[in-house]
Amino acid sequence: DVKVTQSSRYLVKRTGEKVFLECVQDMDHENMFWYRQDPGLGLRLIYFSYDVKMKEKGDIPEGYSVSREKKERFSLILESASTNQTSMYLCASSSHGTGNEKLFFGSGTQLSVL
Amino acid sequence: DQQVKQNSPSLSVQEGRISILNCDYTNSMFDYFLWYKKYPAEGPTFLISISSIKDKNEDGRFTVFLNKSAKHLSLHIVPSQPGDSAVYFCAAGQGGSEKLVFGKGMKLTVNP
Repeated sequence: DVKVTQSSRYLVKRTGEKVFLECVQDMDHENMFWYRQDPGLGLRLIYFSYDVKMKEKGDIPEGYSVSREKKERFSLILESASTNQTSMYLCASSSHGTGNEKLFFGSGTQLSVL
Repeated sequence: DQQVKQNSPSLSVQEGRISILNCDYTNSMFDYFLWYKKYPAEGPTFLISISSIKDKNEDGRFTVFLNKSAKHLSLHIVPSQPGDSAVYFCAAGQGGSEKLVFGKGMKLTVNP
């Protein structure tokens, strides 16, 4: 089974702090994604990467950056955390394919910014 | 502009009855669709998918129906069980794109 591991289940940070969320997958997937989930808004894509050192903006990239130095690891960075970034953050991975790409999700990181 | 819409935020059904979850989409370029289930404090897990070349896909108690002309799909769960209580997300994708577009989710509660 695919395993997507997020380094923290819960994080509490202060406004203005730099925050790193780490994600590792063990299935040699090319694609990795960061989503956030908020009540009433569903899952919104922040950034994704389809190869090492490649990244593309999703629907809500403002206030975030990402890093993918190794194929198995995809990091989400909050340069200066703000209270409106309090959310559930979900990492996912998938393999390149011809269709029906299936995402495999980690368990999520609940981030609270105070 | 929301491309994938789940217009009902919640649904409550009795154990043993049918649950029908609906999803509408606006982008006619989408050619595959997926349903994910999410329990609290866990990541979403894949449930079932359907390609646009089909109008039905079945997997045990779960069946997804696709009506391309109406840009509508639905997930049927028969019979519903209390363990099915979760948030269900509809998602759509387009061949050649690595991204999925998700709906806002719908909370299903199955009462014993």
